[in-house]
Order: sequence, then structure tokens, then C-alpha cells
Amino acid sequence: DVKVTQSSRYLVKRTGEKVFLECVQDMDHENMFWYRQDPGLGLRLIYFSYDVKMKEKGDIPEGYSVSREKKERFSLILESASTNQTSMYLCASSDSGTGDYEQYFGPGTRLTVT
Amino acid sequence: AQTVTQSQPEMSVQEAETVTLSCTYDTSESDYYLFWYKQPPSRQMILVIRQEAYKQQNATENRFSVNFQKAAKSFSLKISDSQLGDAAMYFCAYRGSGANSKLTFGKGITLSVRP
Repeated sequence: DVKVTQSSRYLVKRTGEKVFLECVQDMDHENMFWYRQDPGLGLRLIYFSYDVKMKEKGDIPEGYSVSREKKERFSLILESASTNQTSMYLCASSDSGTGDYEQYFGPGTRLTVT
Repeated sequence: AQTVTQSQPEMSVQEAETVTLSCTYDTSESDYYLFWYKQPPSRQMILVIRQEAYKQQNATENRFSVNFQKAAKSFSLKISDSQLGDAAMYFCAYRGSGANSKLTFGKGITLSVRP
């Protein structure tokens, strides 16, 4: 089974702190994604990566950056956390070779910025 | 840009009954993929069912089936013999056919199942 893990289920940070959210997948997937999920807004794509050291902006990249130094790991960085970044963050991965296109999701990190 | 619309924020169904969740989308592409994902409370999002636009036959997975109407750009999910474990948030999603296409999600619908 594909396994996508995220470093924390719950995280509380203060305004202005630098925050790192880590995601690891164990299926050698090329593609990795970061979403935020807010009530009434569904899932919105923040950043994605199709290969190591490669990144592309999604629909709402402002205030975020990402890092992908290894194929299995994709990190989301909040350079200076703000209260409007309080949200559920979901990581996902998918295989580009099979044409499957299914995305496999991690359990999510619920981030609260106070 | 593609959009996915789930107009009903909540639905309720009696256990063992059938329920249909609606989804419409907008695209100018002719080849694409549609998905329904399920997110149980405090649990990971999982794929329920997938439909390729070039296939005329509606996808089915056990108690889950879709009604795919390409011309109407409609993609509804039917859950038969509803079970308590079906209670979850359900998201409809669209993906273009390009190699690096992204998933576009609807806002989701919360399904509750009454015992």
C-alpha cells in the first residue's frame, strides 16, 4: 500500500514563526502536492513538484515556499506564519508513469497560528 | 480554467437507502479524468471511483457508481445500500489529460448516514 506520512497531525505556532511541514511518501512517486483545506472552500493547491528540485506554483502560493531535495520528501515552508494560514494542510503523491493519476493523501496537519 | 461545482454542502441518507451526490464541471478539453474522493472524519482522503472521459460506460466500484453525462458536464456519484461507514466528506475532482495536469477539486459535500 502507498503510504504518505506527514510530520505532525496537530501544530500550534505563533505569528511570525517559520514553520516547516514535512511529507514523505514510500512509493517512489514522481509527483507530490501540497493543498490546504478550509471549510466551504474545498482543497486548494499551494505548490506541486514533478521531480526532485523542481517546483511549480499552484493556485494559492503566496506566503508559502517548498523544498524537494529528495524524491520521497516534499516540505512546505511558511516563512512567517500568519493567522490566516490557520488551516488543514494535506500532502499527496502520485505516479506519473502508469497513467493512473490517482493521488494518495497523507493524514493532514492541522495548523493553528496564534 | 477548469472549475468543479458541488452545489449541495450537505446531504443525509437513511442506512440501506440510496443517495446521489451531484457534481458539475466546466472544461474546454475533450479528454480528461474525473474522480470522487472520500474523506472520513479525522481520516485520510481516499479515492472512491474514477472515470475516463473517453469511456462511455459509467464506472462502478461495488456499491458506488457514477452517472457520467459528458455533454451535460455532469458527474454524479450514487451510493447504494448506504452504510454508517459511508458518512464522510466527498469531493469531486477533475484532471486534464496532459502529463502534468493538476487536480481541481469541488468544495465537497458532507454526507451523513442515519441509522
